[in-house]
Amino acid sequence: QLQLQESGPGLVKPSETLSLTCTVSGGSISSSNYYWGWIRQPPGTGLEWIGSIYYSGNTYYNPSLKSRVTIFVDTSKNQFSLKLSSVTAADTAVYYCARHLKDSGDFNWFDPWGQGTLVTVSS
Amino acid sequence: DIVMTQSPDSLAVSLGERATINCKSSQSVLYSSNNKNYLAWYQHKPGQPPKLLIHWASTRQSGVPDRFSGSGSGTDFTLTISSLQAEDVAVYYCQQYYSTPYSFGQGTKLEIK
Repeated sequence: QLQLQESGPGLVKPSETLSLTCTVSGGSISSSNYYWGWIRQPPGTGLEWIGSIYYSGNTYYNPSLKSRVTIFVDTSKNQFSLKLSSVTAADTAVYYCARHLKDSGDFNWFDPWGQGTLVTVSS
Repeated sequence: DIVMTQSPDSLAVSLGERATINCKSSQSVLYSSNNKNYLAWYQHKPGQPPKLLIHWASTRQSGVPDRFSGSGSGTDFTLTISSLQAEDVAVYYCQQYYSTPYSFGQGTKLEIK
């Protein structure tokens, strides 16, 4: 059974870079037709797609965050990672990683998801 | 960008009764070349990750009870729980995957009356 687990610091100072890693177990991150995505949920609000990456390194980002986001993959460790620069309090959120199906050229749904990790931006 | 709007924001339904959640997209998510609606529904329980319930607007994910059903086309969609069970208490989200950036509704909180 495929499982994803986020890891990284729970507290980041304003203006610094948020860094998270998602470890995939029970399957290969190099599977065809699957991208690997990051989604976040600020407190009290809805879900926001951040971006997705293929094992080859090909990425798609949400334009609203693109200038600050980098997603990269390490196939040897079956992991992918998120870096979000110049964070502010508005970046405080639960960050989820998830498998993102891409089939016949179209992106589809997210399934499964990791448990999520709360990242607070505060001095 | 496609904006997804759900209604109501919260809903209280008696056990065994029907629950209906609506989702409206700011533009059609129906792809004419394959006649598929690029819409999914998720269930999110506290302390758990979101769980995929339905994709292609009406196709239940494997293992999802058949009391959950999805309907609609174009810009208007509905998630129906035919007979509410206690374990269905959760926040439900719709998501469009028709075009990037992939977007979610604001969520509907479902409670027991």
